[in-house]
Amino acid sequence: NAGVTQTPKFQVLKTGQSMTLQCAQDMNHNSMYWYRQDPGMGLRLIYYSASEGTTDKGEVPNGYNVSRLNKREFSLRLESAAPSQTSVYFCASSEQGAFTEAFFGQGTRLTVV
Amino acid sequence: AQSVTQLGSHVSVSEGALVLLRCNYSSSVPPYLFWYVQYPNQGLQLLLKYTSAATLVKGINGFEAEFKKSETSFHLTKPSAHMSDAAEYFCAVSVNTNAGKSTFGDGTTLTVKP
Repeated sequence: NAGVTQTPKFQVLKTGQSMTLQCAQDMNHNSMYWYRQDPGMGLRLIYYSASEGTTDKGEVPNGYNVSRLNKREFSLRLESAAPSQTSVYFCASSEQGAFTEAFFGQGTRLTVV
Repeated sequence: AQSVTQLGSHVSVSEGALVLLRCNYSSSVPPYLFWYVQYPNQGLQLLLKYTSAATLVKGINGFEAEFKKSETSFHLTKPSAHMSDAAEYFCAVSVNTNAGKSTFGDGTTLTVKP
């Protein structure tokens, strides 16, 4: 049982390049999330998908787009990368409901130069 | 909107000593509270959660936390620290009115000295 799988694990981009971070979960969860983690700032929500077919902005959505491809997969796209997007990105999933915990992937460490 | 404040970005204890990591929350509706742990180069994993069933919650690896509504706190404790407890710990809050999205604190890095 893999849980939440993110690819790639590491990536270096040049300013202005685009890329897509992939995320898949095998726990049949309805909700999926993308967070970024920066030193001393905890995790900040970029986008989330409460259920298949829906997506909504989180706290820091600027510069990102998402696609909920199906119930399993939720991708994050950077259209034109900027150095400020250097971060560690985590995908997570959960059952629906505020009382349910999130299950996290291993993270993608992205550097934009 | 809900929020979480973790007091102390770094906590250092000796092996065998009490671990106390502080978390205070703000919410206008009844909250659900979580503690997650993150080991180096890994994702977060759940330590324990409060969902209103009991105010004292026991989690994995000997950790526990007590929900105190009057103090709006959910501090994490462990009676005796082990070297393997060295990690970053995050407190998080979610509420029913916000589609269950959790808000995370800034994290506390726990160092355990031999």
